[in-house]
Amino acid sequence: QKEVEQDPGPLSVPEGAIVSLNCTYSNSAFQYFMWYRQYSRKGPELLMYTYSSGNKEDGRFTAQVDKSSKYISLFIRDSQPSDSATYLCAITNTGGFKTIFGAGTRLFVKA
Amino acid sequence: DSGVTQTPKHLITATGQRVTLRCSPRSGDLSVYWYQQSLDQGLQFLIQYYNGEERAKGNILERFSAQQFPDLHSELNLSSLELGDSALYFCASSPEGSGNTIYFGEGSWLTVV
Repeated sequence: QKEVEQDPGPLSVPEGAIVSLNCTYSNSAFQYFMWYRQYSRKGPELLMYTYSSGNKEDGRFTAQVDKSSKYISLFIRDSQPSDSATYLCAITNTGGFKTIFGAGTRLFVKA
Repeated sequence: DSGVTQTPKHLITATGQRVTLRCSPRSGDLSVYWYQQSLDQGLQFLIQYYNGEERAKGNILERFSAQQFPDLHSELNLSSLELGDSALYFCASSPEGSGNTIYFGEGSWLTVV
């Protein structure tokens, strides 16, 4: 079993839709949770990070963590064609010495 | 701009050759990471250095090696190159004691022909 599972997609949605991206993880030792956005052949860009269960909002993006279920989500409201990218979840263990990335979900937002 | 600088951006070389990829971390970051991303593949962790010392090792081949210098820049050496080594190689850095916020460079695109 992989430590982080993420559906690679692709996920195709119309402009303006609410997008839900998800990951599950298996080890409760991981305490920090991040979402990265990667445009084609570019470096991943940190979007959001959180270390507690609950929601964290930043503009159109909301990160949600449920530690009891070991489930993390990223919601994108009012999606735009410019949101078309690969979204990677990442988890880091306590102490920050080990970070595991999900496989990434490819998102296409159609105008 | 993440502040992590990688050179070269693109590199084409022949099988059997050796190349060196260079990375300058963000100012003040002590940790440097190297990742490999093949076409349509996820990020594969290769190796991490912290203040000059190797901290963690991932799926790094024996033909590959890395080091971090006193000025904190890092180099990834790839030798006896094979076609399958063609990939994007990312360097990333993070602040001291904060592995949860990793900042990536733009990558070095290696093509082995």
